[in-house]
Amino acid sequence: GENVEQHPSTLSVQEGDSAVIKCTYSDSASNYFPWYKQELGKRPQLIIDIRSNVGEKKDQRIAVTLNKTAKHFSLHITETQPEDSAVYFCAAITAYNTDKLIFGTGTRLQVFP
Amino acid sequence: DTGVSQDPRHKITKRGQNVTFRCDPISEHNRLYWYRQTLGQGPEFLTYFQNEAQLEKSRLLSDRFSAERPKGSFSTLEIQRTEQGDSAMYLCASSSGQGTVNEKLFFGSGTQLSVL
Repeated sequence: GENVEQHPSTLSVQEGDSAVIKCTYSDSASNYFPWYKQELGKRPQLIIDIRSNVGEKKDQRIAVTLNKTAKHFSLHITETQPEDSAVYFCAAITAYNTDKLIFGTGTRLQVFP
Repeated sequence: DTGVSQDPRHKITKRGQNVTFRCDPISEHNRLYWYRQTLGQGPEFLTYFQNEAQLEKSRLLSDRFSAERPKGSFSTLEIQRTEQGDSAMYLCASSSGQGTVNEKLFFGSGTQLSVL
């Protein structure tokens, strides 16, 4: 089955700096890769996703890149702000015979003013 | 509120008791998922429904756990004879499940279970 690894587990940056979170997946058939942001005590919220037929996707200050050959994908946050502080989870899903998201272990991002 | 709603938000119970949680998905979403999340970890898949059919169950789901979605709308997750290891946040999510591409999952706020 699918296995998703995520690094780093914690990340501290200064406001205005960039943050990068990386994930690797094991199942080469995986074809959908969302990222969720979870603030303390709140629900995970989808912030961006990418499908396997695309190498990069951007939405304002956040972007996701996908390298299918290496089976890894990354979240990039530019010009970080204190409100970006949260736990970020990557996930992967396989289209064939199952439709469940497998999540990484999360990255706690702290943005210091 | 048109999002996924879960009830209750918090549940404290004694070991050995049964508990039941409810999830109301986004209207017209035909896929419903249950996940479990412990502190510092990502959500772990438990089970999911396509309409009223339970299509997959994780090996994490022991015989003490049962989920239903009788009319293809709301779902319930029951844990019998609770154990302290069952303490976790139980998250429900739904997706529209239309077509062949994977759909975005929308999560509820979860039910925080504490087993004493």
